[in-house]
Amino acid sequence: DTEVTQTPKHLVMGMTNKKSLKCEQHMGHRAMYWYKQKAKKPPELMFVYSYEKLSINESVPSRFSPECPNSSLLNLHLHALQPEDSALYLCASSQDLVGNEQFFGPGTRLTVL
Amino acid sequence: SQQGEEDPQALSIQEGENATMNCSYKTSINNLQWYRQNSGRGLVHLILIRSNEREKHSGRLRVTLDTSKKSSSLLITASRAADTASYFCATVIIQGAQKLVFGQGTRLTINP
Repeated sequence: DTEVTQTPKHLVMGMTNKKSLKCEQHMGHRAMYWYKQKAKKPPELMFVYSYEKLSINESVPSRFSPECPNSSLLNLHLHALQPEDSALYLCASSQDLVGNEQFFGPGTRLTVL
Repeated sequence: SQQGEEDPQALSIQEGENATMNCSYKTSINNLQWYRQNSGRGLVHLILIRSNEREKHSGRLRVTLDTSKKSSSLLITASRAADTASYFCATVIIQGAQKLVFGQGTRLTINP
């Protein structure tokens, strides 16, 4: 299984809502990533987990809260988002943190009203 | 900050022609990777070239790396309509935390 899955595919939420994005991989990868991508822009790294521990937080606002319950799952909890947070949120995984290729999920298209 | 810059930003060619995209970067790298993204979808890894390699091939793809000029190019030969996508270079920098830093991307359109 060489697939990274993400749910939901689309999400619309108000600024007072709490929601979660989910990501799953069964490739035995030990590094997992969250990226944010605005239209016609490259992905921007948000968080990196290595061996289930947060290793990189790219100064992301606290309204985004990552969680790695186990080596196969990665969540992104959303609370009190702003309209400018509307974007495609991509999850990725790689074998480890030594610059190997990353496998990306299809993304969650988030709209904040 | 973005490490890589790509040119052209957009490229439109006829099916069957070759497409060349360029990527320049600023700091020393461990390796450089190319990814493809179809509209609104996830990224797909195409090829990885290490800093001690100069050229690499994969099917219709040819990647070159010139570390002295801090630049790379991606050549797609005999293009097909299905190659229409955005192409991003991404560098793994040597210093600091190991992470991918993406270039701005080239939007490639193949006209049938």
